[in-house]
Amino acid sequence: GIQVEQSPPDLILQEGANSTLRCNFSDSVNNLQWFHQNPWGQLINLFYIPSGTKQNGRLSATTVATERYSLLYISSSQTTDSGVYFCAASIQGAQKLVFGQGTRLTINP
Amino acid sequence: DGGITQSPKYLFRKEGQNVTLSCEQNLNHDAMYWYRQDPGQGLRLIYYSQIVNDFQKGDIAEGYSVSREKKESFPLTVTSAQKNPTAFYLCASETRTGMDYGYTFGSGTRLTVV
Repeated sequence: GIQVEQSPPDLILQEGANSTLRCNFSDSVNNLQWFHQNPWGQLINLFYIPSGTKQNGRLSATTVATERYSLLYISSSQTTDSGVYFCAASIQGAQKLVFGQGTRLTINP
Repeated sequence: DGGITQSPKYLFRKEGQNVTLSCEQNLNHDAMYWYRQDPGQGLRLIYYSQIVNDFQKGDIAEGYSVSREKKESFPLTVTSAQKNPTAFYLCASETRTGMDYGYTFGSGTRLTVV
């Protein structure tokens, strides 16, 4: 099955800093999503982005499908951005998403 | 407001006991999923259902069972055959409508064996 790897595993930043999270996947995908899990465990869908670039406020994501990676950018970080960011992907014909191990982001005031 | 409701939030299970985790959605989504999350880990798929009265095993289905008798409901039973059930369990539903696509997750159930 498809392998999804995220880096870095941990990231600690000061409020106001920018960050880039990376997701590599081992096969061509027809579905790639980014999620944020807050400290209480709630998972929120951030982007559905199997290819191209999307932006939503301070967050943006880019997927280069031909090179099998996706990047999540967070600008002007706030303490509420803290949590774990997951990338998940699936290949054509597969019904299930495979999740990476996540990047734990800590934003200090 | 539409969403997914999981209950209970916390559940304690004795050795050898079956327990059922509830997942209800009012989003009118066809597909529903159960994931397990262990501390510091990603999510692993237990079972999924694309339509009422049909479901498939995921990657770690052993020791679990599900039913899908109604579109809104997808309960998960953790049986005594699951040797290490302590984990955080997340239910999700999926929408695929034109350009709108994504997963919606419930707030989870933390299961502990005592």
